[in-house]
Amino acid sequence: DAGITQSPRHKVTETGTPVTLRCHQTENHRYMYWYRQDPGHGLRLIHYSYGVKDTDKGEVSDGYSVSRSKTEDFLLTLESATSSQTSVYFCAISETSGRSGANVLTFGAGSRLTVL
Amino acid sequence: QQPVQSPQAVILREGEDAVINCSSSKALYSVHWYRQKHGEAPVFLMILLKGGEQKGHEKISASFNEKKQQSSLYLTASQLSYSGTYFCGTKGGNDKIIFGKGTRLHILP
Repeated sequence: DAGITQSPRHKVTETGTPVTLRCHQTENHRYMYWYRQDPGHGLRLIHYSYGVKDTDKGEVSDGYSVSRSKTEDFLLTLESATSSQTSVYFCAISETSGRSGANVLTFGAGSRLTVL
Repeated sequence: QQPVQSPQAVILREGEDAVINCSSSKALYSVHWYRQKHGEAPVFLMILLKGGEQKGHEKISASFNEKKQQSSLYLTASQLSYSGTYFCGTKGGNDKIIFGKGTRLHILP
C-alpha cells in the first residue's frame, strides 16, 4: 500500500487568505501529483513533481504553487485563495506495476476546500 | 488537452454489458482507467501500454488503438459494484497523466 496522507481533509477559508495543502507519502516514490476535481470537469492536473525540488506545471496551474523539499512531502499552496478554487483536491503518487514497470497512480483520500 | 470520454453517463441493469470510450488528439504512450465511487478517491483499474501490453481487473477488459489514439473499456455482465464514475487518463511523452471528464455508470438491480 502506498501510504498517502492528505491534510487537512476539510478546510473553509475566506477569499484572499493563503492556504497550504499537504500530501505525505511513506513509500519513497519519486512522482507525486496534485489534481483538482470539480463537477463537469473531471480530474485536472495542477502540478506534479518528479523528484525533490523538481516540479512542473499541469493543465490548471494558475494561482497555485508547489514545493517539494523532501521526498515524502508535496505541498500545494494557494497564495491568495479565490472562490473559483473551491474544489476537492487529490494528491497521487506513481507506483510501478507488474513486470513492465508501468506507472500507475494511487490517490490520497482528498482535501475538500471551500473558499467563501 | 483532456481526452474525450463517451458516453457521459450510462444506466444499465445488472448483467448487461457496457463500453466506455476514450480518445485523444495527442500521441499516447499509455492509457489508464480508474473508477471512483461517490465520496471516495479514484482507484486504479487498468493500464494499457503502447505495444499492446495490458493489465486487467476482474471482469473488465480494455483495448488500445495506438494509431487512432483511442481506448475502450469493456464491462461485461455488470454487477451492482461496478457503479461509479470511470475516468480514462492518458500519458504522452512526459510524466503528465491527463484525465477525461469521466463517465457515470449506474447499475440497476
